[in-house]
Amino acid sequence: DQQVKQNSPSLSVQEGRISILNCDYTNSMFDYFLWYKKYPAEGPTFLISISSIKDKNEDGRFTVFLNKSAKHLSLHIVPSQPGDSAVYFCAASAIGNQFYFGTGTSLTVIP
Amino acid sequence: NAGVTQTPKFRILKIGQSMTLQCAQDMNHNYMYWYRQDPGMGLKLIYYSVGAGITDKGEVPNGYNVSRSTTEDFPLRLELAAPSQTSVYFCASSQQRINEQFFGPGTRLTVL
Repeated sequence: DQQVKQNSPSLSVQEGRISILNCDYTNSMFDYFLWYKKYPAEGPTFLISISSIKDKNEDGRFTVFLNKSAKHLSLHIVPSQPGDSAVYFCAASAIGNQFYFGTGTSLTVIP
Repeated sequence: NAGVTQTPKFRILKIGQSMTLQCAQDMNHNYMYWYRQDPGMGLKLIYYSVGAGITDKGEVPNGYNVSRSTTEDFPLRLELAAPSQTSVYFCASSQQRINEQFFGPGTRLTVL
């Protein structure tokens, strides 16, 4: 039973354009959401997070949007750069310390 | 700061063998986690710890054991290795639950 889903395995975007990565979840008790970026043969690295009391969080080129009624979050990268090419995972947590990750979206930014 | 370190980087086990995956962090974090990632899948939580002496099960704990005797170290023990445990294992740490997790580089384990 996948509590966090990323339905797009891959995404290609031209350099300079916007990348939008999507994530859906099923558990309404999740109160903390994160996005991680992963390069091959490395551990994930943290990108940005959002608490369930907010609907938007920005950090430089990265913005995360949370729509609690739709149980949906998205990561926007503007402008996209070739170095952004990686696998992106969304993750969610509820009180009780469990963390659930999506299956990842492989982003390719074309120069 | 070395951050989160994991040893070994690679290991091949035979069915039925046992081993311990080592994880250490030097950030004085309270929380530590073990995940596994199967090909084409996301990370699944095996075990976690909220402090020395306290551990709890994650989503996929069967076939594994952990201990946390110090703040720095969080070893993962595999008893009676099975082919289903072939995976990449990541250790992570964070100060609190609602803080970013810092990940180690991973251990690639193959059970034949």
